[in-house]
Amino acid sequence: QKEVEQDPGPLSVPEGAIVSLNCTYSNSAFQYFMWYRQYSRKGPELLMYTYSSGNKEDGRFTAQVDKSSKYISLFIRDSQPSDSATYLCAMSVDRGAGSYQLTFGKGTKLSVIP
Amino acid sequence: EAQVTQNPRYLITVTGKKLTVTCSQNMNHEYMSWYRQDPGLGLRQIYYSMNVEVTDKGDVPEGYKVSRKEKRNFPLILESPSPNQTSLYFCASSSPLVGSDTQYFGPGTRLTVL
Repeated sequence: QKEVEQDPGPLSVPEGAIVSLNCTYSNSAFQYFMWYRQYSRKGPELLMYTYSSGNKEDGRFTAQVDKSSKYISLFIRDSQPSDSATYLCAMSVDRGAGSYQLTFGKGTKLSVIP
Repeated sequence: EAQVTQNPRYLITVTGKKLTVTCSQNMNHEYMSWYRQDPGLGLRQIYYSMNVEVTDKGDVPEGYKVSRKEKRNFPLILESPSPNQTSLYFCASSSPLVGSDTQYFGPGTRLTVL
């Protein structure tokens, strides 16, 4: 079983829909959970960052972490065509001495249709 | 403007011809790393550096070298490129002061080795 599993999609939704993106993981040592957004021909950019179970909201985006189930989600409300991108989950564990290991999911490609 | 820059953005080369991809950041970040992104495999870490003169292997270091002589620069060196190193490469940087996991990515370098 891979450390981080993410459905690659593609996922196509109509404008205004609620989008749910998910990742599961197997390493219970993961401490920090992130979502990155990557537009075509661009580098990933950090969207959300959290380290505890529960919900974190930022505008139309909500990140949810369930450590007991080893499951994280990103919800996008009122989706817009500009949200069309690949979304990568990422998780990290502290290796000590200021170093950490970051593991990415393979990304889910999202298209929001006007 | 805070940014990570990479050069070149696109490169086509032949097997065995040494090449260097440069990476520079203007945020005074201690931590820098290199990733490669391949379809179906996602982002994988090649090398990382916790500070000047401190580097370590990531998940896929074979065939690559790095150096960190200055805080702002972290070049990736392919001494003898092979076709299996054809990929999209990203440099990233972060600072523990803002959370060591909030990495800022460069725009990417698309490398083709013939």
